[in-house]
Amino acid sequence: TQLLEQSPQFLSIQEGENLTVYCNSSSVFSSLQWYRQEPGEGPVLLVTVVTGGEVKKLKRLTFQFGDARKDSSLHITAAQPGDTGLYLCAVLILGGGATNKLIFGTGTLLAVQP
Amino acid sequence: DTEVTQTPKHLVMGMTNKKSLKCEQHMGHRAMYWYKQKAKKPPELMFVYSYEKLSINESVPSRFSPECPNSSLLNLHLHALQPEDSALYLCASSLRPHVPYEQYFGPGTRLTVT
Repeated sequence: TQLLEQSPQFLSIQEGENLTVYCNSSSVFSSLQWYRQEPGEGPVLLVTVVTGGEVKKLKRLTFQFGDARKDSSLHITAAQPGDTGLYLCAVLILGGGATNKLIFGTGTLLAVQP
Repeated sequence: DTEVTQTPKHLVMGMTNKKSLKCEQHMGHRAMYWYKQKAKKPPELMFVYSYEKLSINESVPSRFSPECPNSSLLNLHLHALQPEDSALYLCASSLRPHVPYEQYFGPGTRLTVT
């Protein structure tokens, strides 16, 4: 059982369309992050959300943290081919001190066709 | 400089070979990480070094041996690997080990075991 389930797993859309990616869990988190990984590169941090209900915008990307801090969504408006990549949500798992670690969701692979 | 560099970019090795992956950062980060990533899957944490000491080993087989010679350098020594070890190996770093947020990832080493 995965701690963070993302949906959809794969998404192929045309340029200009809108889309939403979801990250769900049964656990409560103090904060949540979204990363994007382009082909041939490592993941790059997009945003960190920390407050239940929080909404953050990054150009055409809108991130929301659920009120109960168990889930999050990423909405992309007017998708462009440059948005193509693997989108990953991630949360901090507290093991204590130097054993704290980041755990990634199952991932959503997005392909935007020109 | 917000860059994490990894060498080599690609590596093909036989099951009897010994090879090493190298990772370097000059951001003054005191935590460094090794992740393994299979195609279209999220990164899986392997090892964490905090202040040059191994703080997390996620039950990784002993054929993978990490080393942190100094605060800027992280190595992963490989010996007697199996074909199922073929994957993208990502290195990352973050400023504070106790709060492994805002991890900066390198582009990865694509490893193929024949």
